[in-house]
Amino acid sequence: EAEVAQSPRYKITEKSQAVAFWCDPISGHATLYWYRQILGQGPELLVQFQDESVVDDSQLPKDRFSAERLKGVDSTLKIQPAELGDSAMYLCASRGDSYEQYFGPGTRLTVT
Amino acid sequence: QQQVKQSPQSLIVQKGGISIINCAYENTAFDYFPWYQQFPGKGPALLIAIRPDVSEKKEGRFTISFNKSAKQFSLHIMDSQPGDSATYFCAHFGNEKLTFGTGTRLTIIP
Repeated sequence: EAEVAQSPRYKITEKSQAVAFWCDPISGHATLYWYRQILGQGPELLVQFQDESVVDDSQLPKDRFSAERLKGVDSTLKIQPAELGDSAMYLCASRGDSYEQYFGPGTRLTVT
Repeated sequence: QQQVKQSPQSLIVQKGGISIINCAYENTAFDYFPWYQQFPGKGPALLIAIRPDVSEKKEGRFTISFNKSAKQFSLHIMDSQPGDSATYFCAHFGNEKLTFGTGTRLTIIP
């Protein structure tokens, strides 16, 4: 069964350092999402891609966060500089022609 | 911004019992209402979903009931098992966005 891949699974970084997360969506899925999930809460959308184009990044803190999907396949989310409040699970999801979104296992980020 | 209100926040059910989780959405264009199951340290997994043109959908022990007039939908887990212990999120997909509820931590006790 096709799955969304994410790496790394866990990341510990110090405040003010840069950190990057990678996502490989299900093959053929044109739509890719990055979410942030704080412990005990539901995921919140950070950015949405349609192929290589950003469709919605209204909730992305653009002063420190950036996201790209250069060839319309895999994607990278970067935080620079990381802050203590960025500690969370970062989830990637993809969607094909239907409504169903499929999530990857996530990257657990801890900022110290 | 679209909101989805979910209750209860936590739920304890005895093995073999029925678990019921409720959600309410706002009046907006609606497309699709999925439920996700999430185990600790894992990403959410799509469990079951319903379109607003049907009032109920059943898949195995899981049933979604949809009340269009009340703007509510609920998840029923029949014959609940310890392996069902997880956090459940309802969600609404509309205007190309998926908005999640606040989650329900379900614990099934022997």
